[in-house]
Amino acid sequence: SQQGEEDPQALSIQEGENATMNCSYKTSINNLQWYRQNSGRGLVHLILIRSNEREKHSGRLRVTLDTSKKSSSLLITASRAADTASYFCASKGGSNYKLTFGKGTLLTVNP
Amino acid sequence: GAVVSQHPSRVICKSGTSVKIECRSLDFQATTMFWYRQFPKQSLMLMATSNEGSKATYEQGVEKDKFLINHASLTLSTLTVTSAHPEDSSFYICSATPGQVNTEAFFGQGTRLTVV
Repeated sequence: SQQGEEDPQALSIQEGENATMNCSYKTSINNLQWYRQNSGRGLVHLILIRSNEREKHSGRLRVTLDTSKKSSSLLITASRAADTASYFCASKGGSNYKLTFGKGTLLTVNP
Repeated sequence: GAVVSQHPSRVICKSGTSVKIECRSLDFQATTMFWYRQFPKQSLMLMATSNEGSKATYEQGVEKDKFLINHASLTLSTLTVTSAHPEDSSFYICSATPGQVNTEAFFGQGTRLTVV
């Protein structure tokens, strides 16, 4: 079943600004992953943070994880118009490989 | 990186017919694959877990006789939408993970199904 909330549901910013998206989950996890989806396309993996990690960087992406609050955030710095997409967090818990997706944030970066 | 190929990317079919969607892991073996459905402007909803060599595990509310899943090899899972109706029109996406728990999932390109 779907779980997890993301906020905001939609975010519109100007190029060059930073974008922050938040995600919450409900059960204990092994890791939390962030994915990007362009309209009508498949998902592209952005970054994975393990339950024993608190922060991770990849290029212009910064992800934090607070297991005590069951929340994560994705920061995209110096945004570009090409960053316009939907962003989803997905939590993985237990011994299987099942991912539980959040509701997603639609990010629009205006040139 | 690992690649998952999904085919077809787009299909239009008539009501009452069946449609088969293929999901292949091109450069790794996947004992488990996942099938998702996505409605416009919504998140992915897990439909079922496809297990190689055994029956698929369906999520609550998903009709197993409606959405037939076959995972006959370590690199191929198929989803067949049987007796399709217009309400089955949706975006279907598969994913697979090459092994360990702390590895990312790789997604197919998705299939846009339109039932007319």
